[in-house]
Amino acid sequence: AQTVTQSQPEMSVQEAETVTLSCTYDTSESDYYLFWYKQPPSRQMILVIRQEAYKQQNATENRFSVNFQKAAKSFSLKISDSQLGDAAMYFCAYRSTNTGNQFYFGTGTSLTVIP
Amino acid sequence: DAMVIQNPRYQVTQFGKPVTLSCSQTLNHNVMYWYQQKSSQAPKLLFHYYDKDFNNEADTPDNFQSRRPNTSFCFLDIRSPGLGDAAMYLCATSRPISYNEQFFGPGTRLTVL
Repeated sequence: AQTVTQSQPEMSVQEAETVTLSCTYDTSESDYYLFWYKQPPSRQMILVIRQEAYKQQNATENRFSVNFQKAAKSFSLKISDSQLGDAAMYFCAYRSTNTGNQFYFGTGTSLTVIP
Repeated sequence: DAMVIQNPRYQVTQFGKPVTLSCSQTLNHNVMYWYQQKSSQAPKLLFHYYDKDFNNEADTPDNFQSRRPNTSFCFLDIRSPGLGDAAMYLCATSRPISYNEQFFGPGTRLTVL
């Protein structure tokens, strides 16, 4: 099974500043999908951004962007102009194109935004 | 709005007393998942359905069972809850194509007394 590692259990950022959350994964596959999910306190998990492994261009969604380094198996999330509402647990997830239906999650990073 | 609904949001049961958690979806997704999530941890996949095809994770205890009577509904049955089963239970859905993300319900918080 694929493994996903998030080495930062907790991170903090000053409001309006930029923060980068790290994620690495282990796979022997060449084609797969990567996701970042956000889980605010006591609220449901929602998708932040996704990246297809066959695309070299890094995905961007407004203030959220990724740095996808396929050779290094690294998939970091950058949050620009951090807002108080960004405070949440962030999970990195991997989805295979072969096994298809399983998602493999990292252990999460708890992000605190300091006013 | 299309969504994933979980009932109840909070469930209290007694040690050893069977409990059923429910999940419904209006997204018409083929795949439905049940996860167990303990405080500040990653969701742990218990099992998932692709249509009626049931896929159990190897380390899911026999105490956990699931039913999917139709596309819209999926149930999680805990036959004899132990104190260690107290957790948030998340239901999620997805289309079977790999680029599709999961859509999560709000979760059911299970307390075992």
